[in-house]
Amino acid sequence: QITLKESGPTLVKPTQTLTLTCTFSGFSLSTSAVGVGWFRQPPGKALEWLGLIYWDDDKRYSPSLKNRLTITKDTSKNQVVLTMANMNPVDTATYYCVHREDGYKGSAFDVWGQGTMVTVSS
Amino acid sequence: AIQMTQSPSSLSASVGDRVSITCRASEGIRDDLAWYQQKPGTAPKLLIHSASSLESGVPSRFSGTGSGTDFTLTISSLQPEDFGTYFCLQDYNYPLTFGGGTKVEIK
Repeated sequence: QITLKESGPTLVKPTQTLTLTCTFSGFSLSTSAVGVGWFRQPPGKALEWLGLIYWDDDKRYSPSLKNRLTITKDTSKNQVVLTMANMNPVDTATYYCVHREDGYKGSAFDVWGQGTMVTVSS
Repeated sequence: AIQMTQSPSSLSASVGDRVSITCRASEGIRDDLAWYQQKPGTAPKLLIHSASSLESGVPSRFSGTGSGTDFTLTISSLQPEDFGTYFCLQDYNYPLTFGGGTKVEIK
């Protein structure tokens, strides 16, 4: 059974750097074609894709956030870390990490973490 | 970036009604589209992948059709537990993009 869980601060100040950790089980990020994506959803708004890291350390980022975003993985700990610099109140959202496997289920993001709410405020 | 235009933005229907939601892509995306259901305070749930493949465990009243630019999610007989917001997501190319969502209410 695949599970993912996000953890990190619930409140950050403007200009600070956000670090979120996704801890997962039921799969390995050293397995070919496996990836973990990050998404967010501001309160009452639509979902937004942030980025994605693959088993081979290939990374993809949203162009609108590319300069602020870094995604890394620690395969031995079954963790993926998202770092977002220069946080702004508009970054207030629930952040999700999600499992994906290319070629399986059409490469859909099939298992989602429960999400973690991050508020940006002074 | 590929724009996904989803309609309607909201709908209200009765139990037993047939309900359809559409997503239109600004360019062809083959069948690289998924549909998700999200209930308040919870994470999205995958319903359909590859435009028309039903995810395991999802009731058969949900179905997806389409390829290229036009896609439809249909609920053949709306049930009380089907309330929530539905999103489409294209993963044909980066950046991945969502439709704006359709809020489904039960009359």
